[in-house]
Order: sequence, then C-alpha cells, then structure tokens
Amino acid sequence: DQQVKQNSPSLSVQEGRISILNCDYTNSMFDYFLWYKKYPAEGPTFLISISSIKDKNEDGRFTVFLNKSAKHLSLHIVPSQPGDSAVYFCAASVRTSYDKVIFGPGTSLSVIP
Amino acid sequence: DAGITQSPRHKVTETGTPVTLRCHQTENHRYMYWYRQDPGHGLRLIHYSYGVKDTDKGEVSDGYSVSRSKTEDFLLTLESATSSQTSVYFCAISEPGQGIYEQYFGPGTRLTVT
Repeated sequence: DQQVKQNSPSLSVQEGRISILNCDYTNSMFDYFLWYKKYPAEGPTFLISISSIKDKNEDGRFTVFLNKSAKHLSLHIVPSQPGDSAVYFCAASVRTSYDKVIFGPGTSLSVIP
Repeated sequence: DAGITQSPRHKVTETGTPVTLRCHQTENHRYMYWYRQDPGHGLRLIHYSYGVKDTDKGEVSDGYSVSRSKTEDFLLTLESATSSQTSVYFCAISEPGQGIYEQYFGPGTRLTVT
C-alpha cells in the first residue's frame, strides 16, 4: 500500500503556463515534505520542502502548498520553462525517524515550447 | 553540487554472481542511504547508515547487505544477484543533525542482471 501517491504519471504544459503537480499521503505522522526533480541518467535533486507547521513555501518559480486536513500537497511552477521537463518525486518523512523517507512514484512533466 | 560519486556507473552481471556497488562522499554527512528506482515504484530504501559501522534495513533489504567502514564510503553488496535486482541504484546522504533533512543523491548505477 503506497503511503505517498502521485496519481498523474505524466503531465504536459505549455511554456509560460502554470504546472501543478499533486501528491497525496496516507500517514498522518509525516511532518516534513519534499519535492525532488530528476533528469534522465542523473540522480534526483532536491527542489523544495515544507514543514507541517506551514501551509505554503515559496522559492522563486516554485511554490509548495500543504493541506494537512486533506493529506495533500501540490507543487506549482510558474512560469513553466522547457528546462523544467523532468520527473518530479514527492517525498514525505518523519523528521525524528531519518529512515522514514517515503517517495511517491513520480510525475513526468513535459513543458512544450 | 554535493560531492557524491558512485561506482561503477553501469554494470552487467550474470545471475548468481556477487556484485558490490560503491558510494563515496566528500561532505562528511553522517547519514548515507541506498535506494533502488523502478518504474511505478519511485525510490525505495534498501539500507541506510547513521554512522561508521552503524547500519539498518530499509523497505526492500532482502538479498542486499551493506558496510560502512569509513564516513565517506558506503558499500552495497548483492551476495548472489538475481534478475529482480536489475534496477537503477542511487546513493544519498543527509545530515539531519544540522537541520539538513533533504537528501542529496549520487548519479546512480544502472545494474543489469542477465
């Protein structure tokens, strides 16, 4: 049973528009959430994170929103650029249990020029 | 970029042979992890280490062992490789004691077991 779900395996967006990637989790113990980006033949790279005490965190074009009651988070990319085309992994963790980082299956984003 | 290297980057081996993958870091981070990435599963934790000689199992540890004799090196061994272990393997590091909860990943090793 997947504790972290990304129900959209792929997403296509026009350059300049907003990309919204969604993630749902089931374990209410998770208190820290992260997004990673992965290009082909490379390792994942950390993008942005959010603590459960916040509902929004912004870093440049990237914003993560957390809705704890719905156990849902989303990553917004505005404006989307062709270089954003990659696989995005959502991850959830319990900060006091460093082995308990659970990754979702990923969403492949294609930004069309 | 975090200083993490993995070797080899690609390997093809036969069923039943032992295989060792190496992860080397220059960041002096205490925590090191081995993941495998398979389609539809994202990244799944195999084993992790929280210090020299301190290791523990992850979600998919069967058929794998690890060792960490130095802070900078974390080895993953497949004692007798099987076709189900064909995957891309990633090493990662973190330092939660310094508030660095995010993990930094190496470039990956693509392993094919024939």
